[in-house]
Amino acid sequence: DQQVKQNSPSLSVQEGRISILNCDYTNSMFDYFLWYKKYPAEGPTFLISISSIKDKNEDGRFTVFLNKSAKHLSLHIVPSQPGDSAVYFCAASPLIQGAQKLVFGQGTRLTINP
Amino acid sequence: DAGVTQSPTHLIKTRGQQVTLRCSPKSGHDTVSWYQQALGQGPQFIFQYYEEEERQRGNFPDRFSGHQFPNYSSELNVNALLLGDSALYLCASSYFPSLNTEAFFGQGTRLTVV
Repeated sequence: DQQVKQNSPSLSVQEGRISILNCDYTNSMFDYFLWYKKYPAEGPTFLISISSIKDKNEDGRFTVFLNKSAKHLSLHIVPSQPGDSAVYFCAASPLIQGAQKLVFGQGTRLTINP
Repeated sequence: DAGVTQSPTHLIKTRGQQVTLRCSPKSGHDTVSWYQQALGQGPQFIFQYYEEEERQRGNFPDRFSGHQFPNYSSELNVNALLLGDSALYLCASSYFPSLNTEAFFGQGTRLTVV
């Protein structure tokens, strides 16, 4: 039972354009969501998070949008840079557990083309 | 400030053997969680340790066990290794009382069972 789904295994975007990565979840107990980026041979690195009391959170080039009714969130990266090429994971948790027990999606490999 | 450190980085074991993986959390963190990441998949939660006790557990058999020491470092033990245990094992640390925070990951231990 995949509670967090990233339906696009890969995404290719031109440098300077917007990258949009999507994530869907099924468990209505989830109310804390995080995005992680992973380079080969490294552990996941935290990017940005959002709790269900908000529908948008921004940090520099990264913005996460949450649509609770659709159980959908997205990560926008603008403008996209070559260093953004990595695998991106969406993760979710009940807020009561914070970051203690995360359920991850399968990941989306983002490639930024020069 | 050292982040999360894991050892060893790579390990090759034979079916039926036992393995111990180690993790030191980020300074100031008191909670350690372990994840298994199979090839092409997102990380899956194994268990979490806080105050030297296992607090939460994912859907993993009893062959997977752990320990947390007074200095918050942790070990993951896997007995009777199977070929399917081959994966990247990730350790994540966080600060338990702070719910709205992210987990920091180590670089992982790549376990290969032959």
